[in-house]
Amino acid sequence: DQQVKQNSPSLSVQEGRISILNCDYTNSMFDYFLWYKKYPAEGPTFLISISSIKDKNEDGRFTVFLNKSAKHLSLHIVPSQPGDSAVYFCAASEQTGANNLFFGTGTRLTVIP
Amino acid sequence: ETGVTQTPRHLVMGMTNKKSLKCEQHLGHNAMYWYKQSAKKPLELMFVYSLEERVENNSVPSRFSPECPNSSHLFLHLHTLQPEDSALYLCASSRTYGAGGHTDTQYFGPGTRLTVL
Repeated sequence: DQQVKQNSPSLSVQEGRISILNCDYTNSMFDYFLWYKKYPAEGPTFLISISSIKDKNEDGRFTVFLNKSAKHLSLHIVPSQPGDSAVYFCAASEQTGANNLFFGTGTRLTVIP
Repeated sequence: ETGVTQTPRHLVMGMTNKKSLKCEQHLGHNAMYWYKQSAKKPLELMFVYSLEERVENNSVPSRFSPECPNSSHLFLHLHTLQPEDSALYLCASSRTYGAGGHTDTQYFGPGTRLTVL
């Protein structure tokens, strides 16, 4: 059974508006969460992360929010740009112990100029 | 070259063939990973090597055989594969593995698109 779920396979947003990508997880032991971005013909690249001791982490246009009680995290991109069009993967791990990452199936974001 | 490279980028093989996928990291990392991504499925961790020793083997069939001759190179040897093994195979590396208290960022290669006929 998937421990990390991204229920929206795709999302389209107008340039300049906010993109919100969502991710849910089931394993309460997860305490570290990451977002990766993937362009076609390239491997996933790390975008932003958050530890469970925080509920928000911001890096430029990208902000990740974590709601531990709901086992939900989201990635906000403001303002969205055409270059942000890619597949976004949510991943989770337990910090203590192994580095094993559990990934979601990804959400394809299209930013329309 | 920088980062994580993988060769070949595309591979078509028959079920009786033997082939190998190669991964090289130029980041000075001590941990390397093989992942499989099938269509509409999440990335699945296959193997992890830390300091050239295999530390994880996630119930992967024996027709997949990893090899890590040094901390910069990782191979995945393939033999008698099935059509359902067709997928994108991704290699990744990180500074450490299982250090505890901190999850090191994993850096991915571009992947090898494998098709088994």
